[in-house]
Amino acid sequence: EVQLLESGGGLVQPGGSLRLSCAASGFAFGTYAMGWVRLSPGKGLEWVSAISDSGGDTYYADSVKGRFTVSRDNSKNTLYLQMNSLRAEDTASYYCAKGFSYAEEWGQGTLITVSS
Amino acid sequence: EILMTQSPATLSVSPGERATLSCRASQGVNHNVAWYQLRPGLAPRLLIYSASTRATGIPARFSGRGSGTEFTLTISSLQSEDFAVYYCQQYDNWPRRTFGQGTKVEIK
Repeated sequence: EVQLLESGGGLVQPGGSLRLSCAASGFAFGTYAMGWVRLSPGKGLEWVSAISDSGGDTYYADSVKGRFTVSRDNSKNTLYLQMNSLRAEDTASYYCAKGFSYAEEWGQGTLITVSS
Repeated sequence: EILMTQSPATLSVSPGERATLSCRASQGVNHNVAWYQLRPGLAPRLLIYSASTRATGIPARFSGRGSGTEFTLTISSLQSEDFAVYYCQQYDNWPRRTFGQGTKVEIK
């Protein structure tokens, strides 16, 4: 059974940083592209970032480019999202997703609230 | 950016009835559309990919069709667990994948 377990969410002040982790199990993690998708009340679903199976290629939505960094450790079956210079509009539930073009599997999400 | 427009925003349906959800792309996306179900407290679930292929484990009451700019998701006979929010997503313009704004299916 595929499991994706996000952690690292919470309350952070504007301008602050957070690092999300996604622990994957139940599949050959190192052979799949992965990504982060967020859901916010105002903007709905947004594909925030993605990374190739090897980690050599990455993608960022324009809204987070230059502030967020996606990475992975295939030896630990873990996906990361480093989020810097956080803004109020980054407030959302962040989901880890398995897949290249669409999200075949999702985690349950972790909530990030950016507020002073 | 390809815009995905879903309609209606809310659909009120009685259990056992059919629900038809629409998704329109601002430009042609071939068959590169997926549908997801989001329910509170649960991980989102992929229902359909390639416009009409059911994902593993998805019941046959869910069906998708369409190509180009017009797509539909049909739930043939709504069960209690089907009351949720549904999103379409295009992946033709990879990596700039975009979602619709969602359709909430509620109990009538």
